[in-house]
Parts: sequence; C-alpha cells; structure tokens
Amino acid sequence: KAGVTQTPRYLIKTRGQQVTLSCSPISGHRSVSWYQQTPGQGLQFLFEYFSETQRNKGNFPGRFSGRQFSNSRSEMNVSTLELGDSALYLCASSLPGPQPTNEKLFFGSGTQLSVL
Amino acid sequence: KQEVTQIPAALSVPEGENLVLNCSFTDSAIYNLQWFRQDPGKGLTSLLLIQSSQREQTSGRLNASLDKSSGRSTLYIAASQPGDSATYLCAVRDYKLSFGAGTTVTVRA
Repeated sequence: KAGVTQTPRYLIKTRGQQVTLSCSPISGHRSVSWYQQTPGQGLQFLFEYFSETQRNKGNFPGRFSGRQFSNSRSEMNVSTLELGDSALYLCASSLPGPQPTNEKLFFGSGTQLSVL
Repeated sequence: KQEVTQIPAALSVPEGENLVLNCSFTDSAIYNLQWFRQDPGKGLTSLLLIQSSQREQTSGRLNASLDKSSGRSTLYIAASQPGDSATYLCAVRDYKLSFGAGTTVTVRA
C-alpha cells in the first residue's frame, strides 16, 4: 500500500510570494493534518481536515490556509511568504474513528521550503 | 496549553546498551501518546501508540510505558544497534498532536 505522498520535495521561494504544497494520503484515509517543523520551534500543528472540512486549527496566522478535496487529497497554501516560513512541512493521514484514542498517524517525507 | 518535554536532548551509547528516553506532559486529558522516529531530513515513522487507558505497549525491542496521572512516558529500546540512531519524538494527542523537541540518539558501533 502506498504511503503518504507530498509534493514537491523541495521548494525555493522569495519573500512576498505564495506557495502551494500538496499531500496525497494513504488510500482509504480520510483525515489529513499538517505540521510545520523548524529547528527553533520544533513540530507545530497547523490544521486538520476530515471529509473536506477543517476540523481543528493551530495557532498560525491567516496567511496559512488549507483545503481538502473529495478524494481526500489536501493542499496547504502560504501567502505573502516571510523568511520565518522556511521549514519542513509535514502532512499526516489517518483513519479517523469516533474518537482519536487509537488513531495512528502516518507521515509523509515532507516538503522542505526555503524562503530567500 | 499542553507542554511536552523530552529529556535528554541527546544521547550517545555504545552498541548493545539499553536506551531509556523520557517524555513528560502537563495536561493529562489526552486520548493517547505516541512515539515516533525521525531520520535526518525525513518524515516521522510511528513506533508505538499507547491509548490513555493503557499502561504500556511493546513492539520487538521497543517498550513504552505511560503514567497519565503523573504526566510521564518512557521509551525503552533494548540492545541498541547503530541503525537505531535517529531522533525520537514523543507526542500527546488531545484535539491535536503536541510534540516534544525530541531526543537525538547516536549508537556507536
């Protein structure tokens, strides 16, 4: 079974530009969540989508947005890029149940974004 | 706000020694605690998931315990090997996953 696929693997942008990252979950998984990883702040939760609806959101500015399509694929968008947005962006998929007690997350390899 | 702390930040051991990695968290209202492994520049691989009602989970050479009331978890890796060298992250799940900063492990051959 194929794992979580994130594209592109590497991205270089300049300040002020916008960027779109893509995540294809494991087949059958309907929940996708996004995380930002930086050396200074570690791993931080961005948002989670389930059945095309944002279920939870972390503490990030409105420049960070996402969406999920009917096939469960997800995209995240960052507008007006800042130098501090340079990070590894990871997405994870899961089979959500009534409660997340036994919900194991499967992560992609990430997109390394560099903002110059 | 959930705070997750991992001690030590780094660990270097000779091959064959047992590893003990510690994780503490501030809010015990969690659904589960998960241990992940991350290799440089890569994503996370799930190692063990302990539900909030469980005390421990085992998989091969790995054993993780959970004491929810005291907000602590410990990951034991028996008979370490050079291939165990990686960063180990613990994460607790309430409405989201909150991660610790990780313990970077080096196993010397």
